[in-house]
Amino acid sequence: DTGVSQNPRHKITKRGQNVTFRCDPISEHNRLYWYRQTLGQGPEFLTYFQNEAQLEKSRLLSDRFSAERPKGSFSTLEIQRTEQGDSAMYLCASSLGSGLSYEQYFGPGTRLTVT
Amino acid sequence: RKEVEQDPGPFNVPEGATVAFNCTYSNSASQSFFWYRQDCRKEPKLLMSVYSSGNEDGRFTAQLNRASQYISLLIRDSKLSDSATYLCVAPDGYNKLIFGAGTRLAVHP
Repeated sequence: DTGVSQNPRHKITKRGQNVTFRCDPISEHNRLYWYRQTLGQGPEFLTYFQNEAQLEKSRLLSDRFSAERPKGSFSTLEIQRTEQGDSAMYLCASSLGSGLSYEQYFGPGTRLTVT
Repeated sequence: RKEVEQDPGPFNVPEGATVAFNCTYSNSASQSFFWYRQDCRKEPKLLMSVYSSGNEDGRFTAQLNRASQYISLLIRDSKLSDSATYLCVAPDGYNKLIFGAGTRLAVHP
């Protein structure tokens, strides 16, 4: 399967714990995006990378959230001191950096439940 | 006003029906638009891209009206498998996608 992959698919954690999610984009895509989706809403943009550079972050991304893409390939999203309000589906997407660059392809997501 | 607004539905239609969804957007600088399909507890999947006035792909037709900042999706000859949530998307600048909350479609026998 050459699509976007995410791990883990599900994560249950207790409030106050740290969690880390991983995203592997489509191999030839140099742009990688993180979104968050809650029930009944569309995905909301969190941040994006072009290669290893993080070029934009949403105001939704509080200081507890950090994302990295150290070698311009896979990315990690870490949430520190999780809160119940962090419960959501975290989606990763990737796209080419030229041509039809707006077309983003999503991974299956990581569903986070904070108890 | 939300940046991308959609009627949440649900639209309940019989098989074979034609159904249309509407979407309005507020960012007049958006150049291209998308419709994504999302099944329950799954990721959004790209259904159609709209770069000019419209696009057609089989039973699906998307129309764009820049003057009114309005996008539509028409589904002809609905199938049971079309049941899903349809997300309207307008990019903000060149990078991030702004999603509507989605329109639910239920196709029944």
